[in-house]
Amino acid sequence: EVQLVQSGAEVKKPGESLKISCKGSGYTFNTYWIGWVRQMPGKGLEWMGIIYPDDSDTRYNPAFQGQVTMSVDKSLNTAYLQWSSLKASDTAIYYCARHRVKGSYYANWFEYWGLGALVTVTS
Amino acid sequence: DIQMTQSPSSVSASVGDTVTITCRASEDISNLLGWYQQKPGRAPKLLIYAASGVQTGVPSRFSGSGSGTDFTLTISSLQPEDFASYYCQQAHTLPPTFGQGTKVEI
Repeated sequence: EVQLVQSGAEVKKPGESLKISCKGSGYTFNTYWIGWVRQMPGKGLEWMGIIYPDDSDTRYNPAFQGQVTMSVDKSLNTAYLQWSSLKASDTAIYYCARHRVKGSYYANWFEYWGLGALVTVTS
Repeated sequence: DIQMTQSPSSVSASVGDTVTITCRASEDISNLLGWYQQKPGRAPKLLIYAASGVQTGVPSRFSGSGSGTDFTLTISSLQPEDFASYYCQQAHTLPPTFGQGTKVEI
């Protein structure tokens, strides 16, 4: 059974750093793109970017480029999303999700999703 | 970025109704459109890929159609568990973009 298990909710202050995680199991982790999707309170879905675990090839949404960093640890079957300096506007639920088809990032949709990690940034 | 516009933003319906949600892309995306369902407090769930492909395990009352710029999601014989928000997403051009969502309410 494919599962994506995300780290728990976080409460941080503006300016602090944060790294959240997403551990995949039940499939060959290295061969499917994993992505991150933001959902701000009461709002819709925003595609942040994707990373290919086998070689850490990354595609960022320009809207998030430079604001977050995606990484993976293949030995742990885990993907990460990190911030170096959080803002109040980063308050949101962050979902990790795995593509439906292995290998290509093109013409692909997110089939498996984590439960989401609520990040709250408040002074 | 390709803009995805859904209509309506919300729709009121009853159990047994047929509901149609429309998604329009700002440019031709061929058939590279998917639909997700999201219930409150839950992660999205993929329903439809490549405009009309029904994801494994999704009830047959869900169907998708369209190509180019205009797409529809149809829910036939609405069930109580179908009351949720629905999002379209294009997978033609990076970055993939979502529609703003359609809430199906009782």
